[in-house]
Amino acid sequence: NAGVMQNPRHLVRRRGQEARLRCSPMKGHSHVYWYRQLPEEGLKFMVYLQKENIIDESGMPKERFSAEFPKEGPSILRIQQVVRGDSAAYFCASSPFLPGESYNEQFFGPGTRLTVL
Amino acid sequence: AQSVTQLGSHVSVSEGALVLLRCNYSSSVPPYLFWYVQYPNQGLQLLLKYTSAATLVKGINGFEAEFKKSETSFHLTKPSAHMSDAAEYFCAVSGSWGDSSASKIIFGSGTRLSIRP
Repeated sequence: NAGVMQNPRHLVRRRGQEARLRCSPMKGHSHVYWYRQLPEEGLKFMVYLQKENIIDESGMPKERFSAEFPKEGPSILRIQQVVRGDSAAYFCASSPFLPGESYNEQFFGPGTRLTVL
Repeated sequence: AQSVTQLGSHVSVSEGALVLLRCNYSSSVPPYLFWYVQYPNQGLQLLLKYTSAATLVKGINGFEAEFKKSETSFHLTKPSAHMSDAAEYFCAVSGSWGDSSASKIIFGSGTRLSIRP
């Protein structure tokens, strides 16, 4: 069973361009989470999605950032008009949903390292 | 609201010595607590988790942590450090399903562990 897949692993963009980060959850996992790790910091929650639904986007910046998890295909984190401050590692995690369980473990992908020039 | 505080951004121990990484948490609901390890330019790997069962939790690679509610602590220990333990360690907290905090993991700022030969 392959783990959480993220691509690309490294992405370089110039200021003003768009960045698209992809996350394929583990097989059988229906929940996806995105986190951002700024240099020398811990991970910060951005958004939680289920198929075709955004459940919690309390950590998403109000502008330029959006996320989706379509019925088919990977989850996409999209950053429009990137700025230097967007340079960070972006991690995706997935979890199953097990009714009756009080906790569903999140499994993390290897991350996408975005560099904005 | 939930938060974690990791005491010491950098800890250095000799090979074979005791490893102690400190973490204190704050949570208005019964917490789930985690320790993750991150090797350079890689994703996060779960070391161990506390989900309201036994207060002493054993994880991978010889690590363990003890949940102390009276001290709101969840310190990570390993009796004898190995060179391969050098990495960044993150303490984290989340709520259980049904809580609004369940969807997100709140991470500490991390502790970099160095091992001296």
